[in-house]
Amino acid sequence: KAGVTQTPRYLIKTRGQQVTLSCSPISGHRSVSWYQQTPGQGLQFLFEYFSETQRNKGNFPGRFSGRQFSNSRSEMNVSTLELGDSALYLCASRSSLGQGVQAFFGQGTRLTVV
Amino acid sequence: EDKVVQSPLSLVVHEGDTVTLNCSYEVTNFRSLLWYKQEKKAPTFLFMLTSSGIEKKSGRLSSILDKKELFSILNITATQTGDSAIYLCAVEATNTDKLIFGTGTRLQVFP
Repeated sequence: KAGVTQTPRYLIKTRGQQVTLSCSPISGHRSVSWYQQTPGQGLQFLFEYFSETQRNKGNFPGRFSGRQFSNSRSEMNVSTLELGDSALYLCASRSSLGQGVQAFFGQGTRLTVV
Repeated sequence: EDKVVQSPLSLVVHEGDTVTLNCSYEVTNFRSLLWYKQEKKAPTFLFMLTSSGIEKKSGRLSSILDKKELFSILNITATQTGDSAIYLCAVEATNTDKLIFGTGTRLQVFP
């Protein structure tokens, strides 16, 4: 069974641009969560989708948005990029919600904003 | 505000040493605590703990949860260079399915 796939793996953008990251969950998984990882802050929760609905959202500005498609694939968009958006963006998928359901992470997308 | 605090932030040991990593949390409606190992990019799952006092064990790694004192420890015995990684602790609450992560403990094991 293929794992969580994130594309692209690396991305370099300039300030002010926008970017879209993609996450394909494990086949059959319907929950996708996004996290931002920076050296000083650790993993910060961005949002979670389940069956195309956003269930939770973290404390990030409105420049960060996402969506989930009917095939459970999810995209995350960041508009008007700032230098501070440079980070590793990780996606995690779960088969369902509730206690005891393990989250599997993808390899992440390393975004560098210059 | 929910938070997870890990200590130490960084640890350097020699092969064969035993290490203890700490994770304390303040979360309303606690559901579970999870440990992950992150070597390069993708965190990989180690343990999920939901009940106090029950040790989870996998090879040289073990973990236990204390829901009264709100902390967990991750023990690694007879460390190997392959144990070098960032160890992440995360907590999940019942009213949400998001994981709240600590900043991690960076473990370096030298031969």
